[in-house]
Parts: sequence; structure tokens; C-alpha cells
Amino acid sequence: GAVVSQHPSWVICKSGTSVKIECRSLDFQATTMFWYRQFPKQSLMLMATSNEGSKATYEQGVEKDKFLINHASLTLSTLTVTSAHPEDSSFYICSARDQGVRAGYTFGSGTRLTVV
Amino acid sequence: GQSLEQPSEVTAVEGAIVQINCTYQTSGFYGLSWYQQHDGGAPTFLSYNALDGLEETGRFSSFLSRSDSYGYLLLQELQMKDSASYFCAVATGKLIFGQGTTLQVKP
Repeated sequence: GAVVSQHPSWVICKSGTSVKIECRSLDFQATTMFWYRQFPKQSLMLMATSNEGSKATYEQGVEKDKFLINHASLTLSTLTVTSAHPEDSSFYICSARDQGVRAGYTFGSGTRLTVV
Repeated sequence: GQSLEQPSEVTAVEGAIVQINCTYQTSGFYGLSWYQQHDGGAPTFLSYNALDGLEETGRFSSFLSRSDSYGYLLLQELQMKDSASYFCAVATGKLIFGQGTTLQVKP
């Protein structure tokens, strides 16, 4: 089946630094990928939709300059949290659209970001 | 915009049947999905309904009524390992999640 690989699975960084999270579709081409953020005991909140070769579309309230998304190939999308602060600590999950999968969405395993 | 409503918590005993309801308001609706998430893990796909009716996958079934903007997830023969959060999500070209229902299965 379709597999989405997300790395790293967890990361600790100092306040003010930047962190990059990678999301790869391993056995299919993903023209569209999605990035979610999830705080403890809350739902998955869609941050942005990235389309290969074009700018990402951000959901309302998400700072595009803080959360940089790059979707440079059909199998890779990256999310960079710039100038991270403790309030950015969260669980970040990517998802890729795969028409070959029932319901069409495959999720990565998530990245636990802790900013200290 | 989109909005989804589901109960925040449900408790049931092992072996029982539980139903988690989901009502939604959205535009551009393609289908309703259900996901399970254990603490610390990523969501895992359970079921998807694009058309009205019941979809059965083992112990889990899902139902959709597009005219009522309503669906439910039915879990049968509950096991302790079913204790988790369950999310309904509407597919509109992107996937929007409900707030989640925490299911606690007791012995």
C-alpha cells in the first residue's frame, strides 16, 4: 500500500532556531501534500496544502513566513518551522493524496517537536 | 467553511457495541472518513463513505447519510485496545477533522 515516510519522528530544538521536517511518498507520486498540527488532547488542524511546483496554500491564521513549506518534487514536501518558540511545540503530521488509496489520503507517522 | 461535531467522550465495556456520531457542515463534500489515533501516534485510517449507506470492515462499520449531513462509526465486540481517539473527517479536496471522540473501554 501507499506509504508516507516522515522524518524526524521527534526533535528538540532551542528557542530561536529553525527545524525542518520532511515528508516523502515512498511508492507513489504525490502532487498534493498536507501539513497538520496537533496539540495535546486536541484535533488535527490543517495548516497548509502544498502542491508540487507551486506555492503552498495556508489556512487562515497560519503564519506563512513562520511555517515555510516546500514541495519541490512529486515525492517530497518539507515544513520548516522558523525561529521556533516554545508555543510551537506540537505534533506535526503530513499527509499525501494518493488516488490509488481508498479515501485518498495517507499519513506520515508524525514529528514531535519540542522547543526549549 | 467546514464544521464537524462529534461527542467528546464515550465509555463502554469490553464486548459491547458503541456508536460514535458525526454531523457536519461543509461545501464541496466528497466523503466522510474515520480515523483512529492512539496516544502519541499518527492517525490510522478506519473507514470511508462516499455514498449513502453502510460500509463494513471487520468489527468496524461506518454509515453516511448525505441528505442529513450525518454519519456514524460503529465499533462491535469492543476490545481494550480499542481505547483511543476517533476522528471523523470530511474530504473536500482536503481533509478536515472533527474534534475527536475519546473512547474508553473498560473491563
